[in-house]
Amino acid sequence: NAGVTQTPKFRILKIGQSMTLQCAQDMNHNYMYWYRQDPGMGLKLIYYSVGAGITDKGEVPNGYNVSRSTTEDFPLRLELAAPSQTSVYFCASSYGWAGELFFGEGSRLTVL
Amino acid sequence: DQQVKQNSPSLSVQEGRISILNCDYTNSMFDYFLWYKKYPAEGPTFLISISSIKDKNEDGRFTVFLNKSAKHLSLHIVPSQPGDSAVYFCAYDSGNTPLVFGKGTRLSVIA
Repeated sequence: NAGVTQTPKFRILKIGQSMTLQCAQDMNHNYMYWYRQDPGMGLKLIYYSVGAGITDKGEVPNGYNVSRSTTEDFPLRLELAAPSQTSVYFCASSYGWAGELFFGEGSRLTVL
Repeated sequence: DQQVKQNSPSLSVQEGRISILNCDYTNSMFDYFLWYKKYPAEGPTFLISISSIKDKNEDGRFTVFLNKSAKHLSLHIVPSQPGDSAVYFCAYDSGNTPLVFGKGTRLSVIA
């Protein structure tokens, strides 16, 4: 049971570089989410998707883009990385709005 | 918009004693509240939830209490164990929008 798989687990970027954080789930969940966790700041929603082809902004979407071409995958694209994007990123999925979210193990990104 | 506030960033408790983690919320929409537990280098995992039509929900050593008049919920862990040391997030579930998380409380259970 893989659940939610995120890659890479760690990455260091230089300012201005771009990269994609990958997220895949094998639970056939329609709902997927990207959160970032900064020290002492809890989990802030970046983007979410309620199904293939449908995405929407969360609380902190600036500097990020997402796509949802399949039910399984929900990649997060960082364009022109900035030090403020140094964080731990969590992908999650759920069957519906209500109830339990299943999280990946996280991707720690450092922008220098 | 609903907000959830965890005003204690950290808590230390002796093994075997009760741990009480608190969460306040801002509006009176009646839905669900959830607690998540997070270990270092892992993603959060669901722990326990409570519907706003209830005052209490219990699962083994974990009990969540909801005080609607005070807009306050609390998670009780009895007895506390060293393996309970983690960050605990409360979250609000409206049923039709993504979860809203608090900032978390780091619990340290001292043996």
